[in-house]
Formats: sequence, structure tokens, C-alpha cells
Amino acid sequence: AQSVTQPDIHITVSEGASLELRCNYSYGATPYLFWYVQSPGQGLQLLLKYFSGDTLVQGIKGFEAEFKRSQSSFNLRKPSVHWSDAAEYFCAVGNTGGFKTIFGAGTRLFVKA
Amino acid sequence: DVKVTQSSRYLVKRTGEKVFLECVQDMDHENMFWYRQDPGLGLRLIYFSYDVKMKEKGDIPEGYSVSREKKERFSLILESASTNQTSMYLCASSTTGGTNTGELFFGEGSRLTVL
Repeated sequence: AQSVTQPDIHITVSEGASLELRCNYSYGATPYLFWYVQSPGQGLQLLLKYFSGDTLVQGIKGFEAEFKRSQSSFNLRKPSVHWSDAAEYFCAVGNTGGFKTIFGAGTRLFVKA
Repeated sequence: DVKVTQSSRYLVKRTGEKVFLECVQDMDHENMFWYRQDPGLGLRLIYFSYDVKMKEKGDIPEGYSVSREKKERFSLILESASTNQTSMYLCASSTTGGTNTGELFFGEGSRLTVL
């Protein structure tokens, strides 16, 4: 069965510290992989996506993610977290057109001063 | 700037009422989606549409219906609202093909409370 697992329900990091959010997936075909961010009371915004090619992808707001096929993982990273990064982050796996996009349960990021 | 607009940000309805949630996109996207978001469950697909008047059930269609009479507009209908439909509803759109393929563009959400 296709699924996305985000093992951490919430994470707290200090401002300026590095961040890694974990994502593991199970998908039958070559996946399209996404990270979305949701600020409080808002919809989801795409941070980055991976379809093919270089397994390290850069996104907006200084985020990057690395696709590791052998580990079925697509972890999100940021070298230095800002207070404005506090939000909920969703990993997703899908296909062309977005018809079969499956979302993880989300990881809520708290940033402390 | 591309946009998906959900007409109502907050609604409070009573059990048994009929509820309409409206969504409009200005990107000429072929595909539109309705998701339900609940804490700890992520986003779950209710219905999607890949063309005008076309609709497909998602993972949790029970208790919902949809309408797509125009390409830019996709409506979610709760025929008889129940308390277990209290949730955040997110509309999204996408295109097939090109560099944006697979990416979903979301509205800001409609938070529905059913009393």
C-alpha cells in the first residue's frame, strides 16, 4: 500500500540551529516527492519537489531535501532556522497531475528564541 | 499571482443543514481537489475533478458530493451536515504536464464547525 510516514509529530529547535524533518514513503512506481508548509490558519505552500535527476533538491526559504531511494526517504533540511519557519510541514508522494497524492500526517515545528 | 480562493474561511452550521463550500482558481488548471484536514491524520482526499462535469471519488467521499460546472469552479456539498464533518476543508488545483505537474496549489482553507 502507498503511504507516507513522518515519524515526528512535533519538533522544537532553537533559532539559528539546523533542522531535519524526516519522511519515509512507500510507493509502487517512481515517486514524485513533495514538501509543503502550512502556516497557522493558511493553506499549504510548496517548498520543493523531486521528480528525477539530482537527488538533492533546493526549495524556497532556504530549504533543501535529499531523495534516498535505498532508504525510501525524502528528508527536509535547513541549516539555520528562523522564527518565521514555525509551521506545520507535510511530506507528500504523488504522480503527474496530482491525482494520487498521499500526504503524511505532518510535523509541527516550534522555534524557540 | 496564481490563486485558489475559497469563499468562506469560517462557517458554523447546525446538524442536518446543507452546506456549500465554493472554490475558484484562476490558473486555468484542469484538475481540482477537495481535501479534509484533521489533526494527526494529514490531508485526506474527498473528491477530485479532472474536467468540467467530471468527478472522481477520493478516499473519504461518504457524506459529500461535488459539482464542477465551470473549469475554474469546484464546489463541495454536504447534503446533511453532521458533527463528524467538523473539520478544515482545503481546495487545491493542479495541471497535468509541464514543469508544474504533480504540484498542488491550495486555497487558504474553510474551517467548518457543525453543532
